[in-house]
Amino acid sequence: KQEVTQIPAALSVPEGENLVLNCSFTDSAIYNLQWFRQDPGKGLTSLLLIQSSQREQTSGRLNASLDKSSGRSTLYIAASQPGDSATYLCAVLVRSEKLVFGKGTKLTVNP
Amino acid sequence: NAGVTQTPKFQVLKTGQSMTLQCAQDMNHEYMSWYRQDPGMGLRLIHYSVGAGITDQGEVPNGYNVSRSTTEDFPLRLLSAAPSQTSVYFCASAPGLGYFYEQYFGPGTRLTVT
Repeated sequence: KQEVTQIPAALSVPEGENLVLNCSFTDSAIYNLQWFRQDPGKGLTSLLLIQSSQREQTSGRLNASLDKSSGRSTLYIAASQPGDSATYLCAVLVRSEKLVFGKGTKLTVNP
Repeated sequence: NAGVTQTPKFQVLKTGQSMTLQCAQDMNHEYMSWYRQDPGMGLRLIHYSVGAGITDQGEVPNGYNVSRSTTEDFPLRLLSAAPSQTSVYFCASAPGLGYFYEQYFGPGTRLTVT
């Protein structure tokens, strides 16, 4: 059974810092990995999708990497801002039907 | 495009009542799904559909029913609400299945069963 773990569960950093969020999964048989952002009381906003054959994807200040063989992904946020404060979720797509989610990392960026 | 819409935003039910959570998308996506989000549990798949007329169970289907009569709509029915169904429910859609397709989520319905 696929399990997804995100460490740390919470992270607090000063504004301007570069940071890395970690995601690990137990079964490398995935189709893709998706990073989401969730603001309190809101839905999920897709940030980046990495197909299983890809190594990384970039969007603005965000860069996500994928190492399928070791079951790891990282989300790198450059020059963090208070507006980046949110919970970040990673999810892997298995058997083409189901996203398996981690429990998220709650990020606070302090001005 | 409105994307994925869900109604209602909030709902309070008494134990034993039934109701339908509505989900609609205007992106002509074939794949739609329902998840519930509980503290400490993450998001878990309830039911999904790969196209009109086709549905299947996810990880936690008990107590829920779905149907997909059109591409646009995928309602979730609670047959007899129980306090264990207190949760936030999210609907998601994607153009198809597999490597290439990003999933899009609605804003959620917060359900309380007393």
